[in-house]
Amino acid sequence: KQEVTQIPAALSVPEGENLVLNCSFTDSAIYNLQWFRQDPGKGLTSLLLIQSSQREQTSGRLNASLDKSSGRSTLYIAASQPGDSATYLCAGVYYGQNFVFGPGTRLSVLP
Amino acid sequence: DTGVSQNPRHKITKRGQNVTFRCDPISEHNRLYWYRQTLGQGPEFLTYFQNEAQLEKSRLLSDRFSAERPKGSFSTLEIQRTEQGDSAMYLCASSPSTGGTEAFFGQGTRLTVV
Repeated sequence: KQEVTQIPAALSVPEGENLVLNCSFTDSAIYNLQWFRQDPGKGLTSLLLIQSSQREQTSGRLNASLDKSSGRSTLYIAASQPGDSATYLCAGVYYGQNFVFGPGTRLSVLP
Repeated sequence: DTGVSQNPRHKITKRGQNVTFRCDPISEHNRLYWYRQTLGQGPEFLTYFQNEAQLEKSRLLSDRFSAERPKGSFSTLEIQRTEQGDSAMYLCASSPSTGGTEAFFGQGTRLTVV
């Protein structure tokens, strides 16, 4: 069974800190891995897509890595800001294009 | 293009009533997905379409649920004889083609069954 887990479940940090969110997946036959942001009561906003042939992707203060052999992905957020407060979800994309989501990490960045 | 659009944004219905949600994907995206999300959980896959063909359905999609995508454009998700356990956020997403492409989600429809 394809499962995705995320650690930690919640994280609270002061503004300006660098932080790492972790995502683990059980099925290494992953096609892509996508990171999303979700604000309370809202839909999902795509942050980064890493294809299986890639090891990392960067967008602004965000950097995501993918290690298929260990079944892990990390999302690195540099110089965190209060506006980064949200739930961050990772999703493994398998060949059938079915996205398998983790439960998310709820991030609070304190001013 | 304004992205994936879902309507209505919120729906409150009485138990036993039927409800229908609509999703308009990004133009020319031929894949369309429906997910369900309950509070504090990640989205769970319901079904997806490649153009007008429904290619996969989750076991979560009971007989009371039906989805269509006529002409490969917008999609509807209908729930018949709603139950309180159907209360959730229903999310729609689209992506442009097979393999390695990014999915874009709508703002979701929040269903409350009372």
